[in-house]
Amino acid sequence: EVQLVESGGGLIQPGGSLRLSCAASGFTVSSNYMSWVRQAPGKGLEWVSVIYSGGSTYYADSVKGRFTISRDNSKNTLYLQMNSLRAEDTAVYYCARETAVAYGYWGQGTLVTVSS
Amino acid sequence: QSALTQPASVSGSPGQSITISCTGTSSDVGSYNLVSWYQQHPGKAPKLMIYEVSKRPSGVSNRFSGSKSGNTASLTISGLQAEDEADYYCCSYAGSSTPGVVFGGGTKLTVL
Repeated sequence: EVQLVESGGGLIQPGGSLRLSCAASGFTVSSNYMSWVRQAPGKGLEWVSVIYSGGSTYYADSVKGRFTISRDNSKNTLYLQMNSLRAEDTAVYYCARETAVAYGYWGQGTLVTVSS
Repeated sequence: QSALTQPASVSGSPGQSITISCTGTSSDVGSYNLVSWYQQHPGKAPKLMIYEVSKRPSGVSNRFSGSKSGNTASLTISGLQAEDEADYYCCSYAGSSTPGVVFGGGTKLTVL
C-alpha cells in the first residue's frame, strides 16, 4: 500500500528555517516524480516544487532561492528545506507522488506557521 | 503563470448533474491534455478524481467525468450525492516555464 507521511512542520519566526520530511512506503521515491504542494489557510492549492526521478528539480517563483527539494534514497524519504521563511509561507504542506502531472497519492499534510 | 479560473461555488440537488469549469490559456489547458481534478473535504488531503482530462483512477465513481474544449476544462458530476459536497480543484501542466503546474482557485460544491 502506498503511504506518504509528512513531518517537520511547526511554528517558526520570520527569517527562520525548517525542514519538512515525507516518508514514503509501498513504492520507491527515487523512481518517481515527487512534489510538494501547499495550501494557505482557507485558500487554494499551490504547487511548490518537484524532483524528477532523474534528479532534476524545479521550483515555483515564490520559493525559488529559498526552498530546496531533495531526497534520501536510503531512507525512501523526500525533503523540503525551507529558508528565509516569510509570513506568506504559512500553509499546510503536502507531499505527493506525481504521474503525468496528476497527483495520485498525497500525504496527510504538515502545518507550517510563520509568525513572530 | 496565473491560476486557472474556476467558479467560486456551484450547487445542485441530490440526483442532479453539475459541471465545474476551469479556464486557462493557450499556454496551459489549451496546449496539453494534462488536466487533472481533485476533490477535497474539509481538513483532508486532496483526492485525485480525473487525470489526463478525462481518465478516472481506479476506485473513482463513474459519476465523475472530465472533458476539455479549447482553453477550458470541465468536471461533470452526475447523480449528485451528499458526500460529493466538497471543494474541487483543477490542475494543468503549463510547459517548461515556471511554474510548470498551475492549479485553479477551487470551487465549493454544495449539495442542497
